[in-house]
Amino acid sequence: GQNIDQPTEMTATEGAIVQINCTYQTSGFNGLFWYQQHAGEAPTFLSYNVLDGLEEKGRFSSFLSRSKGYSYLLLKELQMKDSASYLCAVSASDYKLSFGAGTTVTVRA
Amino acid sequence: IAGITQAPTSQILAAGRRMTLRCTQDMRHNAMYWYRQDLGLGLRLIHYSNTAGTTGKGEVPDGYSVSRANTDDFPLTLASAVPSQTSVYFCASSDSEVNEQFFGPGTRLTVL
Repeated sequence: GQNIDQPTEMTATEGAIVQINCTYQTSGFNGLFWYQQHAGEAPTFLSYNVLDGLEEKGRFSSFLSRSKGYSYLLLKELQMKDSASYLCAVSASDYKLSFGAGTTVTVRA
Repeated sequence: IAGITQAPTSQILAAGRRMTLRCTQDMRHNAMYWYRQDLGLGLRLIHYSNTAGTTGKGEVPDGYSVSRANTDDFPLTLASAVPSQTSVYFCASSDSEVNEQFFGPGTRLTVL
């Protein structure tokens, strides 16, 4: 089976930076996805990494190290609307996504 | 409006009853998926279909069945519901296995 770990909860202040870590052990690797999920809503795609390095997209960046089985999602200039769960998902050798349990980020004023 | 729709939005079901959750997408995506989401466990794949006419089992397929008669529709059937199937069910689609998945709004199912 696949093993994907991420912290359960994180709290940060509006305007600050938060880094959500994700470690994984999977059978093969075909990319890592980050999704955002607001309470009661569907997950929505944030980023995709398949090669090592940093991918930047506005206030959000995602980093991947395949040799370490490690990724992080960086949220900058936090806004209240960023309060949500962030899901790390790995595409393994069969191309099916395995999801972590999600990290709930709470942004305080 | 392009996207994925699911029906019903929510349902309370007596144990032992048969139930079909509907999923329709209009993006002409080849691949479709069914997940269940439970607190503390994250999203788990139930069944998938890489293209119309084919289906496969995911991580937690027992008690569920699917069909893919055409590109747009991917219904999930619970033949005889049990309380452990109480969950939020999400349907998703992607234009290929390697690309991002788009999720429907979900169905909240309670089995009593």
